[in-house]
Amino acid sequence: GQQLNQSPQSMFIQEGEDVSMNCTSSSIFNTWLWYKQDPGEGPVLLIALYKAGELTSNGRLTAQFGITRKDSFLNISASIPSDVGIYFCAGQLVGQGAQKLVFGQGTRLTINP
Amino acid sequence: DTGVSQDPRHKITKRGQNVTFRCDPISEHNRLYWYRQTLGQGPEFLTYFQNEAQLEKSRLLSDRFSAERPKGSFSTLEIQRTEQGDSAMYLCASSSPGAGDTQYFGPGTRLTVL
Repeated sequence: GQQLNQSPQSMFIQEGEDVSMNCTSSSIFNTWLWYKQDPGEGPVLLIALYKAGELTSNGRLTAQFGITRKDSFLNISASIPSDVGIYFCAGQLVGQGAQKLVFGQGTRLTINP
Repeated sequence: DTGVSQDPRHKITKRGQNVTFRCDPISEHNRLYWYRQTLGQGPEFLTYFQNEAQLEKSRLLSDRFSAERPKGSFSTLEIQRTEQGDSAMYLCASSSPGAGDTQYFGPGTRLTVL
């Protein structure tokens, strides 16, 4: 099925470092969302973006909805151990009738103490 | 806890058996979704309900799969004659058009078919 191109696939960083990940698509979306998933659990919503060009922050997290509607990025500042997990971007399709989400393949974040 | 709940959290079954999963959405959400997630991948859309109406089904949803939401509240997903390839995490999400239609996920049901 269709998926977004999410990069990087994995990141190994030191505690305190900043993190950046992004998603691109050949399709236009009208909503972008970022989720975090811990092992054996469902995705937890981090940030939702509804307008092209929108820049939104949630604590140490910042995300932007690309102006072309085909990309988004997520930044995490000053990483801490509880940031470890898999981060997924998801886009909601335009004009398809359904409200289904299309997901990226995830970015696995590992933090070295 | 007023989030999305799923039951069971884990299910181990033998090939050929039928299994049924339940999802209880956030109470004021009228839209409910089922996704499937295999190891190392993002979730993939299966089907979607608005109230009790099933409005879209993915091609991933073979004829062995059926989903219902009879009263527009909880939903069930049944898999008949399970195959090893059905092993995955089955995720349920719900949303409300009045709240940006943002989808909130439950904890998932991990299915293992032996």
